[in-house]
Amino acid sequence: AQSVTQLDSHVSVSEGTPVLLRCNYSSSYSPSLFWYVQHPNKGLQLLLKYTSAATLVKGINGFEAEFKKSETSFHLTKPSAHMSDAAEYFCVVSDPPGGYNKLIFGAGTRLAVHP
Amino acid sequence: GAGVSQSPRYKVAKRGQDVALRCDPISGHVSLFWYQQALGQGPEFLTYFQNEAQLDKSGLPSDRFFAERPEGSVSTLKIQRTQQEDSAVYLCASSKGLAASEQYFGPGTRLTVT
Repeated sequence: AQSVTQLDSHVSVSEGTPVLLRCNYSSSYSPSLFWYVQHPNKGLQLLLKYTSAATLVKGINGFEAEFKKSETSFHLTKPSAHMSDAAEYFCVVSDPPGGYNKLIFGAGTRLAVHP
Repeated sequence: GAGVSQSPRYKVAKRGQDVALRCDPISGHVSLFWYQQALGQGPEFLTYFQNEAQLDKSGLPSDRFFAERPEGSVSTLKIQRTQQEDSAVYLCASSKGLAASEQYFGPGTRLTVT
C-alpha cells in the first residue's frame, strides 16, 4: 500500500530564510508524488509533481522537491521564505500510480513565516 | 474561467439529520473525486466518478454516505442520519482526464454536526 509520512507537523521560519518540509514515502511501485498547499479558506493547490522524469522537480512560487529513491524521500524546499508562503502543506502519493489518480495525503505541515 | 465550486460552504446539522453537499466541477472534466478532511488531518479519499459511473467507493465510511453524478457533471454527496464523527470539511476535486491528471480542488464544505 502507498503512504506518505510528513516528519514535521509545524515548521517556523523567518522571512528570507530557507524552507525545508520533509516527507518520506512508502510504495510498492515507482511512485507518483505531489506537494499541495492549502491556504485558509481556499482550495488545495498543486505546487509540483514527480512522475518518474527528472528527480529534481520545480514548482510554482519558487518551490522545488527532490525525489531520492535510496532515502524514500521527497522533501520540499524553497531558498527564501515569503510571508505569503504561510499555509498548510501536504505531501501526497497517488494510488495506483498511472491509474485514475486517487490521492493519499500526509497529515500536513503547517508553515509559519515570521518577519 | 470558473474553478470547482461547492455549496453550501458551511453547514450545521443536528445529529440525525440528512445533508446534501453539492459539487460543480470544471466543465468538461471527466474525473470527479470526493475527499473528507477532519480537523488537523490530511484529506482522505471517499469516492471517484468517471463521468457518471462511480468506479470506486471504497473510502465511504459507512452506508450512510451516498454519492451520485447522474449526468456526468454536478455531483452530490449525501449523508443520512448524521453523526458527530461526520463533522469535517468535504472536498471535491475534478480532473480533465484519467491517469496522472492534475486534480483541481474546490474550497470545500465545512459540516458541523451538533
